[in-house]
Amino acid sequence: KQEVTQIPAALSVPEGENLVLNCSFTDSAIYNLQWFRQDPGKGLTSLLLIQSSQREQTSGRLNASLDKSSGRSTLYIAASQPGDSATYLCALLGYIAGTALIFGKGTTLSVSS
Amino acid sequence: GAVVSQHPSWVICKSGTSVKIECRSLDFQATTMFWYRQFPKQSLMLMATSNEGSKATYEQGVEKDKFLINHASLTLSTLTVTSAHPEDSSFYICSARSGTHNSPLHFGNGTRLTVT
Repeated sequence: KQEVTQIPAALSVPEGENLVLNCSFTDSAIYNLQWFRQDPGKGLTSLLLIQSSQREQTSGRLNASLDKSSGRSTLYIAASQPGDSATYLCALLGYIAGTALIFGKGTTLSVSS
Repeated sequence: GAVVSQHPSWVICKSGTSVKIECRSLDFQATTMFWYRQFPKQSLMLMATSNEGSKATYEQGVEKDKFLINHASLTLSTLTVTSAHPEDSSFYICSARSGTHNSPLHFGNGTRLTVT
């Protein structure tokens, strides 16, 4: 059974810092990996999606990497801003058709001005 | 882009009553819909998978007679929490996929259920 772990559970940084969020998974047979952002009491916003054949994806100040062999992904946020404060969720899609995303518990990020 | 509308966004009900949550795909046909539940500071946990026109598949530990899922059309799935209890208070989120397994999943904005 796939298990997704995100470390740290919470992170506080001052504005302007670069930071890395970590996601590890136990089963490397994945179809793709996604990073989401969730604001308190809200739904999910998809940030980046990495297919299993890819190593990384970039969007603006965000860069996500994927290393299937080690069962790890990282989300790098450059020059953090207070508006980046949210919970970041890592989710995996397995190969079996019809299955759903499996989520980690998330990392709650707080960026202070 | 594809939009999934979830309604209501929040609901308060009394213990013992039933609550229905709707999940609609507004501009695409959702062949598969997923229902998740999220407790405070916890991950999204999959409750069930529903395919249009067929019975939902429930995850282990989720009572199918308590959480009724209906996916009667390609644009609408409903989750009914029957005889709700305070421990059912949670954040419920639906997601929808059109087409094949590698099609993007689109999420609703969630429903905050509080049972008093």
